[in-house]
This record gives sequence, structure tokens and C-alpha cells, in this order.
Amino acid sequence: GESVGLHLPTLSVQEGDNSIINCAYSNSASDYFIWYKQESGKGPQFIIDIRSNMDKRQGQRVTVLLNKTVKHLSLQIAATQPGDSAVYFCAENPYNNNDMRFGAGTRLTVKP
Amino acid sequence: DGGITQSPKYLFRKEGQNVTLSCEQNLNHDAMYWYRQDPGQGLRLIYYSQIVNDFQKGDIAEGYSVSREKKESFPLTVTSAQKNPTAFYLCASSPSGGAYEQYFGPGTRLTVT
Repeated sequence: GESVGLHLPTLSVQEGDNSIINCAYSNSASDYFIWYKQESGKGPQFIIDIRSNMDKRQGQRVTVLLNKTVKHLSLQIAATQPGDSAVYFCAENPYNNNDMRFGAGTRLTVKP
Repeated sequence: DGGITQSPKYLFRKEGQNVTLSCEQNLNHDAMYWYRQDPGQGLRLIYYSQIVNDFQKGDIAEGYSVSREKKESFPLTVTSAQKNPTAFYLCASSPSGGAYEQYFGPGTRLTVT
């Protein structure tokens, strides 16, 4: 498959454990954030988004936390499954338009 | 089914040749984007288009060209002027007029030798 992200930060967890993936964003003016999941050789898939007027948003098995004070975003995955193994990256919108800026990502590996 | 398609999935070219990557969407989105992805790096914006017949350079436009003659289509040409064209190319689209999720295609892996 496609070797995307050969030298990314990695996180290895046991199946069933919770995972926390972190992202530091760059622009304090950013008002919209997205977490994407990218499997090897595929395009990124939307997981969850959050706007700057919130500090927490929950989806199915995922929670995004936003700390604007320290410009930090995190993605929590509950009961991590082997199918969650992928590269996860955050994106921010610093200009209040369509121009999203993407982080390099974190590779999550789930051990059965 | 609505979505974005990119073709082909794998593309091989000799150095010095121009090559065009296809991107089509049926989501009725106004905005479309081309990104380049290299190992260990985030997505870098090559070109984007907010509306038909209009497009803007992104951060790494040198050596690339685009056209937007139809709302559904945003082809990217990698020219021989691009110094390091081997990469994974991703097309995306979104509704225009603000910050929205970008929907991505499956990508094209271009290898130039």
C-alpha cells in the first residue's frame, strides 16, 4: 500500500484501550478544526469537527477537545479497534475561508 | 452515490513529460482543491478553485497548472518544470463561503523516473 507518513509520531495501543491523539495548532485566529483518518493508500476521511465556540464535541466512540489557551486539539477514541489503525491528522482554518491547514499526522497502531 | 473520484490510482511517467491527473465530483460543491502529500509531511496545497473559471495558487504551485471549466471537474497537470513530482496527489471539494469539511478523493500516486 501507499507509504504515507513514514516518519510520523506513532502511538501504539492495545485493542479495547482508549487512545488519545494530540495536535498543536499554529494560529490563534483559527475558528474551525477537523480530525481526519487516513488509511494506507487512501484519501483522508472526516472523523469529527469542532468550532472555536466549543471546547468539546462527541461523536460515535470519538471525542474532540479544544484548548484555545494553549492552541491544542486532541482526539480521543474509546475502545480502540484494529480497524482504527491509520494515520490521524488535524486541520485548522486560520483565515475563515476554505483554506484549511493540515498537520503531519500521528500513526495509530492497534495491537490485537 | 455522491463523492469524488480520481483517476488513475497509480500513474507512471518518464522525466520531462507532462501528465494530467483527473478529479471529478458530483457533490455540487463550488470549491475544489489539489494537495500533495509526501511521507512524514502534512498535506500541502497546490491550487484551489472557489468557482468555475477561477482558481488560485496555493503554497506549492510552481510546476503545476489547473483548469476549472466545469463545476464537476478540476484537472491538475504536473509539468516537466516540477522538480520533484513523485508524490501522492489528493483532490478535495467543499461547499464555498466559509469553513467547511473538505471531502477527499482516493488519491493518485504519481511516480516519475
